[in-house]
Amino acid sequence: AQSVSQHNHHVILSEAASLELGCNYSYGGTVNLFWYVQYPGQHLQLLLKYFSGDPLVKGIKGFEAEFIKSKFSFNLRKPSVQWSDTAEYFCAVNAPNSGYALNFGKGTSLLVTP
Amino acid sequence: KAGVTQTPRYLIKTRGQQVTLSCSPISGHRSVSWYQQTPGQGLQFLFEYFSETQRNKGNFPGRFSGRQFSNSRSEMNVSTLELGDSALYLCASSSAGAVYGYTFGSGTRLTVV
Repeated sequence: AQSVSQHNHHVILSEAASLELGCNYSYGGTVNLFWYVQYPGQHLQLLLKYFSGDPLVKGIKGFEAEFIKSKFSFNLRKPSVQWSDTAEYFCAVNAPNSGYALNFGKGTSLLVTP
Repeated sequence: KAGVTQTPRYLIKTRGQQVTLSCSPISGHRSVSWYQQTPGQGLQFLFEYFSETQRNKGNFPGRFSGRQFSNSRSEMNVSTLELGDSALYLCASSSAGAVYGYTFGSGTRLTVV
């Protein structure tokens, strides 16, 4: 079945540590990829998106993601996390056969400790 | 500019009742999508509207329906509520669709008792 998988459900990091959150998808063909973030008590916000071109995309707040087509992956990275990055992170795919729907992964809960 | 506005923020309904949720998209956005968020299933796509036409529908029973008005405002309706319908219902708007990235509202928390 077509799906979006986020490998880590819960991640705990100390401030200044590097972050990498994994995301794999099982859709064939051309896909559009997204990372969304949900800070505590707030609505989902778009971090970054990939449609085509340079597979390394930069988003807001120092986040970046790399699209590796051969691995069906779109991992999110940040070199140095801050306490304010504590949030839930969702990977999402818009696949060619799913119209305008976003198919989300189950999310990764990130806790950054001081 | 104002964000996506969903009303009401909280709802408590009894099994068997029906409920209508409202979403006002960002001004100028013609695409509105609805998602259901639960701890067990995560975020699941319900349907998407563009210029009053449903372009996509997720895998939900017919009890879940929606519509979009000429001013792009959208409503979703759930009839014959079940306990499992308890969830956060999110509305998202975009200028054209998913490829441009959606702006999400804060959601309506529905509790079915």
